[in-house]
Formats: sequence, structure tokens, C-alpha cells
Amino acid sequence: GAVVSQHPSWVICKSGTSVKIECRSLDFQATTMFWYRQFPKQSLMLMATSNEGSKATYEQGVEKDKFLINHASLTLSTLTVTSAHPEDSSFYICSARRDNPPNNEQFFGPGTRLTVL
Amino acid sequence: AQSVSQHNHHVILSEAASLELGCNYSYGGTVNLFWYVQYPGQHLQLLLKYFSGDPLVKGIKGFEAEFIKSKFSFNLRKPSVQWSDTAEYFCAVRRGGYNKLIFGAGTRLAVHP
Repeated sequence: GAVVSQHPSWVICKSGTSVKIECRSLDFQATTMFWYRQFPKQSLMLMATSNEGSKATYEQGVEKDKFLINHASLTLSTLTVTSAHPEDSSFYICSARRDNPPNNEQFFGPGTRLTVL
Repeated sequence: AQSVSQHNHHVILSEAASLELGCNYSYGGTVNLFWYVQYPGQHLQLLLKYFSGDPLVKGIKGFEAEFIKSKFSFNLRKPSVQWSDTAEYFCAVRRGGYNKLIFGAGTRLAVHP
């Protein structure tokens, strides 16, 4: 149990286009999900906390108008990279915190590699 | 600002050698501590966690970690590594009462047969 999926697993897009990444908790409900960014050979940096039914909480330095987060249901959060530029190329990872039992553990998705040309 | 430091960025060991990966954090209040592993091409998996109680925590695959509050440390250990332990290991800390995890930079472990 406690599986998190991401779609797509990789995407290549042109500069200026928008890309949507989905994060799903497959066998549990998650009111809270998290979006991370991982640069090559570096650690995960939290971008934002996604809350079902309310606005996401963004970390300092993360542009909320560029990285749009929608947490429309208890099993789905989406991250849209708007007007993508080459510097947005990265590995984006989501995690979901299971509502029940409430043990505060986060389960991670496999990540989405975004390449902006 | 809260930070998590992993001292070893790259470790190379032979099979059967003992492993200890360091992790220190800078926050002085109540913390929850985690070690995650990322095998090549796979997603992050939880190895072990500490919330409270016995500071020596045992995890999966023979790993353990010891929380030493006075040293703000949560080092990961394994007495005898295997080739299959080749992976990247991340220490993470969450302040009590907060949602978010702060990750260390990671340690890349290579085990040679």
C-alpha cells in the first residue's frame, strides 16, 4: 500500500509552453501533498505544500504564478509549470502524506523529468 | 534557518564493510528524523524514522540510526553492506508541529563486490 504515482515520467517541451504534472495517491487519501525539485546531484528542495480545497503554501523564492498548484481531490495534486524556460528543466518529485492512519509519513512519487528546450 | 548537513557526499566501500553516514541538523526544538534511500532509477523510500522513545532506531534491510540529541545528530549505520546497498541516502528533518521536510544534500554510496 501507500503508492504515489506521477504522470508523465518525463516530458520535453519548447520554451514558453506550459506543462502539467500530475501526482496521485493510488491507495490512500492525502489532504496534504508536497512538491519538490531536485537538481542533478543535489538534494530535494521543497517548492510548495499542496492542501486539498485550499491554496498551496509556497516556499520562499518559489514563484506561485509560475508554478501553479491545484489539489482538486484527496488523491490528486497537479503542478503546472507556466511559460517554461530552460532554467526550469529539473526533476520534479511529489509526495503525499496519508490521512489515515495519521502517522505523518510522506510517500514519494517516482518523479518527473522536465526538459525545456 | 533550519539546515541538515550530510558530511559525506560520496562513499565507496567493499562488500561486508561497515557503514556510517553522518547527519546533523541545526534546529534545537522537537524534531522528527528520517533516512530515505533512492536506488538508481527508483523513487525515494523510507529506511527508518525517529519520532520519540528509544534513540536507537532499526529500519529495513539491516539499517539502524542513533539519535543523539546533545550532538544534534542522527547517523545511519549498517554493520555489513552489500552490493545492493548502492544508492543515494538522504537524511531529512521535520520540526515538531510543521509539515515540511528539510533534506540533506545526500550521500552517494557505491559498494563494490
